[in-house]
Parts: sequence; structure tokens; C-alpha cells
Amino acid sequence: GENVEQHPSTLSVQEGDSAVIKCTYSDSASNYFPWYKQELGKRPQLIIDIRSNVGEKKDQRIAVTLNKTAKHFSLHITETQPEDSAVYFCAANGANNLFFGTGTRLTVIP
Amino acid sequence: SQTIHQWPATLVQPVGSPLSLECTVEGTSNPNLYWYRQAAGRGLQLLFYSVGIGQISSEVPQNLSASRPQDRQFILSSKKLLLSDSGFYLCAWSVLGAGNTIYFGEGSWLTVV
Repeated sequence: GENVEQHPSTLSVQEGDSAVIKCTYSDSASNYFPWYKQELGKRPQLIIDIRSNVGEKKDQRIAVTLNKTAKHFSLHITETQPEDSAVYFCAANGANNLFFGTGTRLTVIP
Repeated sequence: SQTIHQWPATLVQPVGSPLSLECTVEGTSNPNLYWYRQAAGRGLQLLFYSVGIGQISSEVPQNLSASRPQDRQFILSSKKLLLSDSGFYLCAWSVLGAGNTIYFGEGSWLTVV
């Protein structure tokens, strides 16, 4: 089955700086890569996703890049704000479910 | 629009007691349904998923079970809880098929004492 690895496990940045979280996957058949944000005590919520026919996707301060050849994808957050502090999960799809990375705890220091 | 409801939101149960968490989805038909568990400060562990009524796939062998008695209803159960069953349980749904977004319910906090 699919194996998704995510790095780093924790990340601290100064407010206004950029944050980058990286994931790799193993199954070349995966073609859908969502990113979720989970605030403390709440459910994970989709923030952005990308499909394999696209190399990059942007939504305001958030962007995701995908390199299918290398089997890795990354989340980029620019101009970070304190409200970006949360745990972020990457995922890659299987036949009927998503395989999640282990999460990155992002702390934005005011 | 689609909505997912999960209850109870929190519960404290003694070791050895039974468990029943329930989840329903509205606004869609024949969804994939999932149960995830998240231990404190940890990642998302897929417990069960279902592609149709009565069809349950178990990802992790343990003392939990799942049932799907109706198209949009998914139940997580245990006959005898263990301390290690404590955690944040999340029901989720997606459109049937591959490569579709999973949407999570608000979760149930279970503390086994």
C-alpha cells in the first residue's frame, strides 16, 4: 500500500516568514494529494489539494507543488500569521481512502 | 450541501465498559465512510472504512468493530474498552471512488479510566 512520509515533525517560524512542509509517497498510482490543517482540539480541515495533472496550485498565501517523477509534494505558506499555528497533514490517495503523513506542528512566533 | 454529524462529542468510560459512537452523513448518497483515531498529539490512524452497506474493511486489528446498517450511518463499537482506546475518534466521508477529498466530522473525545 501507499506510504506517506512527512517532514519536519515540528516547525517554528517568525511571523511574516515562510514555512515549507515536505512529503514523499511511494505508490506511483496515487493521483490526488490534499493538505489538511488541524487546530488544537478540532477536526482536520482541507486547506488545499492538487491532482497529478498539475505541478503547482496556489490559493492566496498557500501553495502546493508536486513532483510526480520524484514522488514528492510540498506545502508552502508565505507571510505566516499566528493563526497559521496548527498541525498540518499531507495525504496521498489509495483506491478508496487517503494515506496520511504523520503531521507537522507549525508554530508561528509573533 | 453535505454535512456530517458525529456523537457523542465527549465521553468518559470505565475500562471494560462498552462503546458506541455514531455518525451520519446528510446530503449525499452512497458515500465512502471512515473511522479514524488520533491519540493525543499523534497522527491519524485509519481504523475502518466502508464502501457500502454492510461492507467494512478493517485496517488495524483490535477490540473495536464497525457497522454500517444504513447507507449514511456508520457506527463504531467495542464490547470491552481498554485504557489504550482513549483518543480522539473522527468519522469521515468521501464521494465513492478514488482520488476524492475526505471530510471529517467534529470528532468524539473518549477517555477510558
